[in-house]
Amino acid sequence: GIQVEQSPPDLILQEGANSTLRCNFSDSVNNLQWFHQNPWGQLINLFYIPSGTKQNGRLSATTVATERYSLLYISSSQTTDSGVYFCAVGRYGNQFYFGTGTSLTVIP
Amino acid sequence: DTGVSQDPRHKITKRGQNVTFRCDPISEHNRLYWYRQTLGQGPEFLTYFQNEAQLEKSRLLSDRFSAERPKGSFSTLEIQRTEQGDSAMYLCASSEGQGYTEAFFGQGTRLTVV
Repeated sequence: GIQVEQSPPDLILQEGANSTLRCNFSDSVNNLQWFHQNPWGQLINLFYIPSGTKQNGRLSATTVATERYSLLYISSSQTTDSGVYFCAVGRYGNQFYFGTGTSLTVIP
Repeated sequence: DTGVSQDPRHKITKRGQNVTFRCDPISEHNRLYWYRQTLGQGPEFLTYFQNEAQLEKSRLLSDRFSAERPKGSFSTLEIQRTEQGDSAMYLCASSEGQGYTEAFFGQGTRLTVV
């Protein structure tokens, strides 16, 4: 399978700060998604981004598929951004491989 | 459309009992996936369906686990003779068509085996 490494594993931010989360993967992929897992366990879709750059409000993401990494940027963080962020990658549409996530805590 | 729906949200069962979970995908989605997530880990792939065909099941954790999608719509995941190690969150996802498309997850079923 594809190995997915996320960094940092834990992150504590003051409200209003910016952060960058990284996802490295071990093989070529056709699918890549970023998720935010809320306290109740549901995975919320942030970006579907197998390549290129996308932005949605305070969040943006960049995937450089040829170099096997993706970055998630969070600007002006808010307490509601707290939770675990997962990167998931895949090939052929048959399954996703998840990293172990980055646990983000935003303090007021 | 309200997204992927899973039922029940929580299940507490005694060791040795059988449990069944249901997943209703987004209506136009042909692919359906089951994942398991234990504490502190990312979701782990179990199996997936393209319409009613189960195309990958080698990752099911043991022969106590089985999944069906009889009419290509909803799916069920059954665990027979549950063990304490089966305690986890079971997640269902769906995506449309073939190839490389975005997947959407349900709220999950949290199983506790006592």
